[in-house]
Amino acid sequence: DTAVSQTPKYLVTQMGNDKSIKCEQNLGHDTMYWYKQDSKKFLKIMFSYNNKELIINETVPNRFSPKSPDKAHLNLHINSLELGDSAVYFCASSQEVAGLEDNEQFFGPGTRLTVL
Amino acid sequence: SQQGEEDPQALSIQEGENATMNCSYKTSINNLQWYRQNSGRGLVHLILIRSNEREKHSGRLRVTLDTSKKSSSLLITASRAADTASYFCATFFSGTYKYIFGTGTRLKVLA
Repeated sequence: DTAVSQTPKYLVTQMGNDKSIKCEQNLGHDTMYWYKQDSKKFLKIMFSYNNKELIINETVPNRFSPKSPDKAHLNLHINSLELGDSAVYFCASSQEVAGLEDNEQFFGPGTRLTVL
Repeated sequence: SQQGEEDPQALSIQEGENATMNCSYKTSINNLQWYRQNSGRGLVHLILIRSNEREKHSGRLRVTLDTSKKSSSLLITASRAADTASYFCATFFSGTYKYIFGTGTRLKVLA
């Protein structure tokens, strides 16, 4: 019944490794997002996908590569992990409809990434 | 930075008191939303106010919006210990596929 799910919940890895975080939503939404929340709790958008197409890439290093195999999934792959990548990563989805103004976002539970 | 700002950054009150937090933003908006984040969890949508609305209520929540000042406030009345969380405002402009979140207010309600 979980609307937006992410795996894994926790990820501890060494610098230089490559890792992936998976996200799935069962809400039928067209738009999915990845956010990074740092230690100060600032929430910054990283990517936005609409109908599997990349819409927003907010100056994120190209070590981060999102992939959307279908509308319900948006995975995040990170190459050559760095210490500064340690954060909580949130996936979210919403329904973007032209003229619709009541478009809340639904968030996943987050993935806490720790790079050692 | 387009990020909105919230104040106060942290707020500690007694159960039963009201909590007010403010949000200022920089861009044009279609709506402004408030979210709650409990410790270690994802954000949960609380309330949405459209740009042509000035005030909105939902249970113990009251939101105001002043587009001329690019600011909003969230009032939680008769607070409870369970209201302890971080609260974020987020602005949205249609067609941008982008929500811009504020810096958050950490609310602690003491029993």
